[in-house]
Amino acid sequence: DIQMTQSPSSVSASVGDRVTITCRASQDISSWLAWYQQKPGKAPNLLIYAASSLHSGVPSRFSGTGSGTDFTLTISSLQPEDFATYYCQQANSFPITFGQGTRLEIK
Amino acid sequence: EVQLVESGGGLVQPGGSLRLSCAASGFTFSSYWMSWVRQAPGKGLEWVATIKPDGSEKYYVDSVKGRFTISRDYARNSLFLQMNSLRAEDTAVYYCARYTRPFDYWGQGTLVTVSS
Repeated sequence: DIQMTQSPSSVSASVGDRVTITCRASQDISSWLAWYQQKPGKAPNLLIYAASSLHSGVPSRFSGTGSGTDFTLTISSLQPEDFATYYCQQANSFPITFGQGTRLEIK
Repeated sequence: EVQLVESGGGLVQPGGSLRLSCAASGFTFSSYWMSWVRQAPGKGLEWVATIKPDGSEKYYVDSVKGRFTISRDYARNSLFLQMNSLRAEDTAVYYCARYTRPFDYWGQGTLVTVSS
């Protein structure tokens, strides 16, 4: 199975800050990587797919980079609605696996 | 507009069974892979099962193999998850999701609680 490791597990930041979250796969997954945002009590929402493609309706302050085993999600200028938990997920092969999540908190 | 609406969750005793349903609308259901993803209270996301558009291939996480069965009904545009021999560790919110490598649309989830 492909293990997905996110870092950090939690981060505190302020509105307007630039934040980067990393995700590492235990083996090469090419660009089969997605990022999700989840707010408490709600279903996850897709942000980025194929490592760097922005899902429809997602603000351009979100961006993704990487290929192979190392990936990043960047929020260029944090907005109040961005405080949430973020997950990466590999879509290279079954079993599908997620990272453990990164909680983005208000400083 | 793509909509996925889950139902069927509830409280069940260990060893019991439950069948979850997901009603899909707003897209051609028969053309898409569909999945179930769960989230235990206070925990992260865990993929459970995926079914091919024609139903010919099904994939499961190891922890549910032999106990859970994913299926679909094209006439009702619905996805199902039959869960047998339920355990306390199956307690979670279960989400139905459309799978296009990634999960591009999700339902609101249905809570399954396994407890005596």
